[in-house]
Amino acid sequence: TQLLEQSPQFLSIQEGENLTVYCNSSSVFSSLQWYRQEPGEGPVLLVTVVTGGEVKKLKRLTFQFGDARKDSSLHITAAQPGDTGLYLCAGGRVSFGNEKLTFGTGTRLTIIP
Amino acid sequence: NAGVTQTPKFRILKIGQSMTLQCAQDMNHNYMYWYRQDPGMGLKLIYYSVGAGITDKGEVPNGYNVSRSTTEDFPLRLELAAPSQTSVYFCASSGQGVNSPLHFGNGTRLTVT
Repeated sequence: TQLLEQSPQFLSIQEGENLTVYCNSSSVFSSLQWYRQEPGEGPVLLVTVVTGGEVKKLKRLTFQFGDARKDSSLHITAAQPGDTGLYLCAGGRVSFGNEKLTFGTGTRLTIIP
Repeated sequence: NAGVTQTPKFRILKIGQSMTLQCAQDMNHNYMYWYRQDPGMGLKLIYYSVGAGITDKGEVPNGYNVSRSTTEDFPLRLELAAPSQTSVYFCASSGQGVNSPLHFGNGTRLTVT
């Protein structure tokens, strides 16, 4: 069972358009991280959100953690070719005394110049 | 800064062969992880370690073994390679706490034929 579902799985849009990627779960997480992965490289952290309802902005990227801490979204304004990549959300929670980070299924984003 | 270094970058194995994927980090992180990433999928945790001498299973540990004799190194061993182990393997490290960001290596692409 995949705890974190991302949608859409694939997204291809023109440069300059806006887009939103979603990360949903039926489980509650203590934190939510977003990573971007480029071909041939490992994922790189973009942001961590820890409070329900929290909104963080990173230039043209806006991240939101749901009030119930079960979901998150990533909104990109005026997408650029450099935004192309695989976007992964990862939820953190403590289970049976162990801290666990679970990755979502990923959204592969392509920005067409 | 080296960060997390993985070797080799590519490897082709025949069914039944063995190999060790190397991972080293120079950030003095206690937590280290091994993930596999199958095409079009997110990351699945194979094994993790919270410090030298301590390892534990993740979601998909079957067919793999790990050791953690030092803080810096966390090798992953495949004893009897199977086609199902064809994947890209990522090593990561982090500070303590589920909110700590993961620092990833650039991966090892393994093909078992």
